[in-house]
Order: sequence, then structure tokens, then C-alpha cells
Amino acid sequence: GEDVEQSLFLSVREGDSSVINCTYTDSSSTYLYWYKQEPGAGLQLLTYIFSNMDMKQDQRLTVLLNKKDKHLSLRIADTQTGDSAIYFCAENDKIIFGKGTRLHILP
Amino acid sequence: DTGVSQDPRHKITKRGQNVTFRCDPISEHNRLYWYRQTLGQGPEFLTYFQNEAQLEKSRLLSDRFSAERPKGSFSTLEIQRTEQGDSAMYLCASSSLAGGLNEQFFGPGTRLTVL
Repeated sequence: GEDVEQSLFLSVREGDSSVINCTYTDSSSTYLYWYKQEPGAGLQLLTYIFSNMDMKQDQRLTVLLNKKDKHLSLRIADTQTGDSAIYFCAENDKIIFGKGTRLHILP
Repeated sequence: DTGVSQDPRHKITKRGQNVTFRCDPISEHNRLYWYRQTLGQGPEFLTYFQNEAQLEKSRLLSDRFSAERPKGSFSTLEIQRTEQGDSAMYLCASSSLAGGLNEQFFGPGTRLTVL
């Protein structure tokens, strides 16, 4: 069946770039999404990419999509302490979320 | 605050009791979703509505679970004969599908603890 997989943890030093990876199985999704969940808060849409694009840049965020390999990544430049959160990738059409990657910022 | 509200925020109940949760979506959104999230997991899809029609239900939604959206506005999720395995955060989200983009706005969730 459909599945979305992510690594569970990532530790990055403040100021470095963070790269969070995701693989998915359903190739029919029109959009792919990155959601952010901060401690004690609900999920919020961080960014998304249309399935016919390879890359999308939005300020410090860069999303890369490799449709052939069904691989999605989120790069956060100049990672700040406020970026500490759990990041979920999600497919649109089947409404499937990954388990989330917990991003920890080292001082 | 995303504009999606859920009530109650916390619910503690004894096994075997029935519980009902409410979700008030963003008013102009025609889609409403229910998810369940347990510790260390991503949200698991339960069901969704387009206006008042329930269009899809997950196999996770056993016959003890029922959801309604009677007037296409707020929605309720009822769990009958609760079990300890039902303990989780229940999330509601709403969206208006625009050009295929399904940006979902999530509520704060209802945390259910079944003793």
C-alpha cells in the first residue's frame, strides 16, 4: 500500500543547513507537502511543491523533488533554534503523512 | 491560531464509556478531516467530509467510531465503548481544495486518555 518514510531524528548546529529526506510510494500525488509541528502546537503547512516541479525555493527553505526515485527533501538554510520541531512530509491525494523527523538544534 | 477549533482539548474517560469530540473548521472551508496521532507517529487519516458528505473512511475507523458533519459546518467524532488503545491525540483539519492544492489547517487537537 501507500507509504511515506522519513528518518526519525536529525541534529544540526545552529547556523548550518538542515536536510530532511522523505520517500513516498504513490506517484499520483498532485502536490507534496511539508508540515511543521512545534512542541505543544498543531501542525502547520510549511511549504509544498507541485508534482511537475523539481525544485521550489521559499526564503530559507528549498524543496527538491525527484519523481523518478520518489524522493522529496527539505533543506533549511541557516538553521535557527526556532526551527526545532517535527517535520512531516505528506502526499496529497491519499492523505498520508510520514512519521516525522525531529529536528534538534545544537548550540 | 489557525482558525480551526476543537473541543474539548483534553478528555479522560474510563474504558467502555462513549466520548464525543467537536471540530469547528474555518467557515469557508468545504473539506474537513479527522486524524489520529499517537506518540512518535505522524497523523493517521481517519475520515473526511466534503460539505456534509463523508467521502472516505480509513480501515482504522472501526464500527465503534462514527463521524458526522450534519450541516456542512462543524463535525463530531464519536467513539463508543472506548478501549485503552483509543488513547491518542485526535486532530481535525479543514481545507478548501483550490486548483488541486489541499492546504489543510489543523486544530490544536483533543487528547484522549482511556483509563
